[in-house]
Amino acid sequence: EIVLTQSPGTLSLSPGERATLSCRASQSVTSNSLGWYQQKPGQAPRLLMYGASNRATGIPDRFSGSGSGIDFTLTISRLEPEDFAVYYCQQYGDSPWTFGQGTKVDIK
Amino acid sequence: QVYLQESGPGLVKPSETLSLTCSVFGDSFTKYYWSWIRQPPGKGLEWIGNIYQIGTTGYSPSLQSRLTISMDTSKNQFSLRLDSVTAADTAVYYCARKMYSFHHMFDYWGQGILVTVSS
Repeated sequence: EIVLTQSPGTLSLSPGERATLSCRASQSVTSNSLGWYQQKPGQAPRLLMYGASNRATGIPDRFSGSGSGIDFTLTISRLEPEDFAVYYCQQYGDSPWTFGQGTKVDIK
Repeated sequence: QVYLQESGPGLVKPSETLSLTCSVFGDSFTKYYWSWIRQPPGKGLEWIGNIYQIGTTGYSPSLQSRLTISMDTSKNQFSLRLDSVTAADTAVYYCARKMYSFHHMFDYWGQGILVTVSS
Protein backbone atom coordinates (compact mmCIF):
# COMPACT_ATOMS: atom_id res chain seq x y z
CA GLU A 1 0.00 0.00 0.00
CA ILE A 2 1.06 3.60 -0.51
CA VAL A 3 2.42 5.23 2.64
CA LEU A 4 1.95 8.99 2.92
CA THR A 5 4.35 10.99 5.11
CA GLN A 6 3.32 14.49 6.08
CA SER A 7 5.67 17.22 7.25
CA PRO A 8 6.12 19.02 9.45
CA GLY A 9 4.28 17.34 12.28
CA THR A 10 3.36 20.71 13.75
CA LEU A 11 3.45 24.14 12.16
CA SER A 12 3.28 27.11 14.52
CA LEU A 13 2.22 30.28 12.74
CA SER A 14 0.38 33.54 13.33
CA PRO A 15 -2.87 34.65 11.68
CA GLY A 16 -2.13 36.27 8.33
CA GLU A 17 0.95 34.14 7.70
CA ARG A 18 1.37 31.62 4.89
CA ALA A 19 1.24 27.90 5.67
CA THR A 20 2.92 25.28 3.50
CA LEU A 21 2.18 21.63 4.27
CA SER A 22 3.89 18.72 2.59
CA CYS A 23 2.73 15.20 1.77
CA ARG A 24 5.18 12.69 0.31
CA ALA A 25 4.11 9.31 -1.05
CA SER A 26 6.13 6.08 -0.88
CA GLN A 27 5.47 5.59 -4.61
CA SER A 28 4.05 7.66 -7.42
CA VAL A 29 0.36 8.50 -7.02
CA THR A 30 -1.55 7.69 -10.19
CA SER A 31 -3.17 10.62 -12.01
CA ASN A 32 -2.52 13.01 -9.11
CA SER A 33 -5.18 11.15 -7.13
CA LEU A 34 -4.55 12.93 -3.88
CA GLY A 35 -6.56 15.28 -1.72
CA TRP A 36 -6.63 17.06 1.61
CA TYR A 37 -8.91 17.31 4.63
CA GLN A 38 -9.11 19.68 7.56
CA GLN A 39 -10.12 18.35 10.98
CA LYS A 40 -10.92 20.33 14.10
CA PRO A 41 -11.16 18.79 17.59
CA GLY A 42 -14.27 16.70 18.08
CA GLN A 43 -15.32 17.05 14.45
CA ALA A 44 -15.27 14.86 11.38
CA PRO A 45 -12.78 15.71 8.65
CA ARG A 46 -13.84 18.29 6.06
CA LEU A 47 -12.92 17.85 2.42
CA LEU A 48 -10.71 20.68 1.13
CA MET A 49 -9.00 19.52 -2.07
CA TYR A 50 -9.15 16.68 -4.56
CA GLY A 51 -7.17 15.79 -7.66
CA ALA A 52 -4.18 17.53 -6.05
CA SER A 53 -5.29 21.05 -7.01
CA ASN A 54 -9.10 21.23 -7.12
CA ARG A 55 -10.96 22.96 -4.30
CA ALA A 56 -14.05 21.25 -2.97
CA THR A 57 -17.36 23.06 -2.94
CA GLY A 58 -17.36 26.08 -0.64
CA ILE A 59 -13.63 26.06 0.12
CA PRO A 60 -12.14 29.58 0.06
CA ASP A 61 -9.48 30.41 -2.48
CA ARG A 62 -6.80 31.01 0.16
CA PHE A 63 -6.46 27.20 0.06
CA SER A 64 -4.52 25.79 -2.86
CA GLY A 65 -2.96 22.47 -3.70
CA SER A 66 -0.17 21.42 -6.00
CA GLY A 67 2.17 18.59 -6.79
CA SER A 68 2.46 15.39 -8.74
CA GLY A 69 4.17 12.03 -8.57
CA ILE A 70 5.27 11.60 -4.98
CA ASP A 71 5.35 15.20 -3.69
CA PHE A 72 2.25 17.22 -2.93
CA THR A 73 1.68 20.51 -1.13
CA LEU A 74 -1.24 22.26 0.51
CA THR A 75 -0.81 26.02 0.84
CA ILE A 76 -2.92 28.39 2.90
CA SER A 77 -2.03 31.84 1.63
CA ARG A 78 -3.09 33.87 4.67
CA LEU A 79 -4.14 32.03 7.81
CA GLU A 80 -7.50 32.93 9.27
CA PRO A 81 -8.34 32.10 12.91
CA GLU A 82 -10.62 29.25 11.75
CA ASP A 83 -7.77 27.59 9.80
CA PHE A 84 -5.92 26.39 12.89
CA ALA A 85 -6.58 22.66 12.77
CA VAL A 86 -5.07 19.33 11.73
CA TYR A 87 -4.68 18.62 8.01
CA TYR A 88 -4.56 15.17 6.41
CA CYS A 89 -3.66 14.13 2.91
CA GLN A 90 -5.27 11.06 1.33
CA GLN A 91 -4.38 9.16 -1.83
CA TYR A 92 -6.84 7.27 -3.99
CA GLY A 93 -4.59 6.24 -6.83
CA ASP A 94 -4.16 2.73 -5.48
CA SER A 95 -6.36 0.72 -3.15
CA PRO A 96 -6.37 0.63 -0.18
CA TRP A 97 -6.92 4.37 0.08
CA THR A 98 -4.47 5.70 2.65
CA PHE A 99 -4.02 8.84 4.73
CA GLY A 100 -1.02 10.72 6.00
CA GLN A 101 -0.48 11.01 9.75
CA GLY A 102 -1.49 14.67 9.79
CA THR A 103 0.04 18.13 10.22
CA LYS A 104 -1.21 20.28 13.06
CA VAL A 105 -1.31 24.01 12.34
CA ASP A 106 -1.40 25.85 15.63
CA ILE A 107 -1.24 29.43 16.74
CA LYS A 108 2.22 30.79 17.47
CA GLN B 1 -28.72 18.36 2.27
CA VAL B 2 -26.99 15.05 2.98
CA TYR B 3 -26.78 13.80 6.54
CA LEU B 4 -25.11 10.64 7.81
CA GLN B 5 -25.52 9.22 11.30
CA GLU B 6 -23.66 6.32 12.89
CA SER B 7 -25.30 4.14 15.53
CA GLY B 8 -24.31 1.14 17.60
CA PRO B 9 -22.79 0.14 20.94
CA GLY B 10 -20.02 2.28 22.37
CA LEU B 11 -18.42 -0.61 24.28
CA VAL B 12 -17.49 -4.03 22.93
CA LYS B 13 -15.68 -6.83 24.76
CA PRO B 14 -12.44 -8.26 23.39
CA SER B 15 -12.92 -11.20 20.99
CA GLU B 16 -16.53 -10.16 20.32
CA THR B 17 -18.07 -8.52 17.24
CA LEU B 18 -18.33 -4.79 16.60
CA SER B 19 -21.48 -3.86 14.68
CA LEU B 20 -22.33 -0.36 13.48
CA THR B 21 -24.97 1.10 11.19
CA CYS B 22 -24.89 4.29 9.15
CA SER B 23 -28.20 5.91 8.25
CA VAL B 24 -28.19 8.21 5.23
CA PHE B 25 -30.70 11.03 4.90
CA GLY B 26 -31.46 13.29 1.98
CA ASP B 27 -29.56 11.52 -0.78
CA SER B 28 -29.82 9.09 -3.64
CA PHE B 29 -28.48 6.14 -1.70
CA THR B 30 -27.81 3.75 -4.56
CA LYS B 31 -25.94 6.33 -6.62
CA TYR B 32 -22.85 6.54 -4.40
CA TYR B 33 -20.05 4.54 -2.83
CA TRP B 34 -20.27 4.50 0.98
CA SER B 35 -17.29 3.96 3.27
CA TRP B 36 -16.27 3.30 6.82
CA ILE B 37 -13.21 5.12 8.18
CA ARG B 38 -11.81 4.99 11.70
CA GLN B 39 -9.53 7.09 13.88
CA PRO B 40 -7.94 5.76 17.07
CA PRO B 41 -7.90 8.35 19.86
CA GLY B 42 -5.26 11.00 19.15
CA LYS B 43 -4.17 9.31 15.92
CA GLY B 44 -4.73 9.48 12.17
CA LEU B 45 -7.38 8.16 9.81
CA GLU B 46 -7.67 4.63 8.43
CA TRP B 47 -9.94 3.59 5.57
CA ILE B 48 -11.76 0.38 6.49
CA GLY B 49 -13.82 -0.43 3.40
CA ASN B 50 -16.68 0.56 1.15
CA ILE B 51 -19.85 -0.64 -0.53
CA TYR B 52 -21.61 0.30 -3.75
CA GLN B 53 -25.11 -0.96 -4.34
CA ILE B 54 -25.53 -4.52 -3.14
CA GLY B 55 -22.70 -6.96 -3.69
CA THR B 56 -19.90 -4.57 -4.59
CA THR B 57 -17.52 -4.13 -1.70
CA GLY B 58 -13.91 -3.14 -1.17
CA TYR B 59 -12.01 -3.91 2.02
CA SER B 60 -8.71 -2.86 3.51
CA PRO B 61 -6.39 -5.88 3.27
CA SER B 62 -5.38 -5.45 6.92
CA LEU B 63 -9.00 -5.94 8.07
CA GLN B 64 -10.46 -8.06 5.28
CA SER B 65 -10.39 -11.36 7.18
CA ARG B 66 -12.57 -9.92 10.00
CA LEU B 67 -14.73 -7.47 8.07
CA THR B 68 -18.16 -7.46 6.48
CA ILE B 69 -19.89 -4.40 5.03
CA SER B 70 -23.50 -4.67 3.91
CA MET B 71 -26.35 -2.39 2.94
CA ASP B 72 -30.13 -2.20 3.18
CA THR B 73 -31.43 -0.04 0.34
CA SER B 74 -34.99 -0.08 1.70
CA LYS B 75 -33.78 1.75 4.82
CA ASN B 76 -30.98 3.84 3.25
CA GLN B 77 -28.52 2.21 5.64
CA PHE B 78 -25.21 0.44 5.42
CA SER B 79 -23.48 -1.54 8.14
CA LEU B 80 -20.10 -2.60 9.43
CA ARG B 81 -19.33 -5.86 11.15
CA LEU B 82 -15.83 -6.44 12.56
CA ASP B 83 -15.18 -9.79 14.21
CA SER B 84 -12.76 -10.80 16.96
CA VAL B 85 -12.00 -7.27 18.11
CA THR B 86 -9.05 -6.29 20.29
CA ALA B 87 -8.05 -3.09 22.05
CA ALA B 88 -6.37 -2.00 18.80
CA ASP B 89 -9.86 -1.63 17.28
CA THR B 90 -10.75 1.12 19.76
CA ALA B 91 -11.45 4.20 17.64
CA VAL B 92 -13.93 6.77 16.47
CA TYR B 93 -15.72 5.14 13.54
CA TYR B 94 -17.00 7.40 10.76
CA CYS B 95 -19.25 6.63 7.85
CA ALA B 96 -18.68 8.74 4.76
CA ARG B 97 -19.82 9.27 1.18
CA LYS B 98 -17.44 9.15 -1.76
CA MET B 99 -17.69 12.07 -4.16
CA TYR B 100 -19.86 11.43 -7.20
CA SER B 101 -16.95 11.47 -9.61
CA PHE B 102 -13.73 9.67 -10.48
CA HIS B 103 -12.16 11.10 -7.30
CA HIS B 104 -12.32 8.73 -4.35
CA MET B 105 -12.43 11.44 -1.72
CA PHE B 106 -15.07 11.72 0.98
CA ASP B 107 -17.31 14.77 0.81
CA TYR B 108 -19.88 13.97 3.50
CA TRP B 109 -19.14 12.40 6.88
CA GLY B 110 -21.13 11.33 9.89
CA GLN B 111 -20.25 12.88 13.23
CA GLY B 112 -18.46 9.69 14.30
CA ILE B 113 -19.07 7.19 17.08
CA LEU B 114 -16.48 6.20 19.65
CA VAL B 115 -16.21 2.45 20.10
CA THR B 116 -14.11 1.21 22.99
CA VAL B 117 -12.95 -2.40 23.16
CA SER B 118 -12.59 -3.36 26.79
CA SER B 119 -13.71 -6.03 29.21
